[in-house]
Amino acid sequence: EAGVVQSPRYKIIEKKQPVAFWCNPISGHNTLYWYLQNLGQGPELLIRYENEEAVDDSQLPKDRFSAERLKGVDSTLKIQPAELGDSAVYLCASSLSMMQGEQYFGPGTRLTVT
Amino acid sequence: AQSVTQPDIHITVSEGASLELRCNYSYGATPYLFWYVQSPGQGLQLLLKYFSGDTLVQGIKGFEAEFKRSQSSFNLRKPSVHWSDAAEYFCAVGDSNYQLIWGAGTKLIIKP
Repeated sequence: EAGVVQSPRYKIIEKKQPVAFWCNPISGHNTLYWYLQNLGQGPELLIRYENEEAVDDSQLPKDRFSAERLKGVDSTLKIQPAELGDSAVYLCASSLSMMQGEQYFGPGTRLTVT
Repeated sequence: AQSVTQPDIHITVSEGASLELRCNYSYGATPYLFWYVQSPGQGLQLLLKYFSGDTLVQGIKGFEAEFKRSQSSFNLRKPSVHWSDAAEYFCAVGDSNYQLIWGAGTKLIIKP
């Protein structure tokens, strides 16, 4: 069974530039999560999808961050414009359902904003 | 508010020695508890989970954890560590909204 796929693995951009991250969850997983992880810290939830509906986006900085999950499968997270403080690892995870606590994580995208 | 505390930022253990990583949580109801491991450049991998029932939970890679309600703890143990266990370990609790609240992690260093 293929795991959660994320691309790119690494991205370096200048501040004020846009950037997008892509995630393909495990087949059949209805719930998809985007997390931000800073060095030496645990993941912080940005947004959670149940199928194509964003059920929790309270932690997403909506002035510059946006996300979509068309057709309830793949998802894209975008930052526009990026700021220096956005440098972090962006993790995507999926689970069978919201109530199924076991989440499966992708390898993450390491973003560096210069 | 719910929270998870991992008191040790780093732990150094000799290869072959036993390991215990501490995790304390603050949560009003019966928690769902998880331990994940993150190797450098890798995503988080679930080691084990506690939902209910037997308070001693067995996981992958020879790890186990014990849920102690009276101490609000869910400590991770392994009887004999291997060099490949060097990684960062995260404890998490699932809240009533089915979100995971994460600890800050403990970095495990293995001495040869």
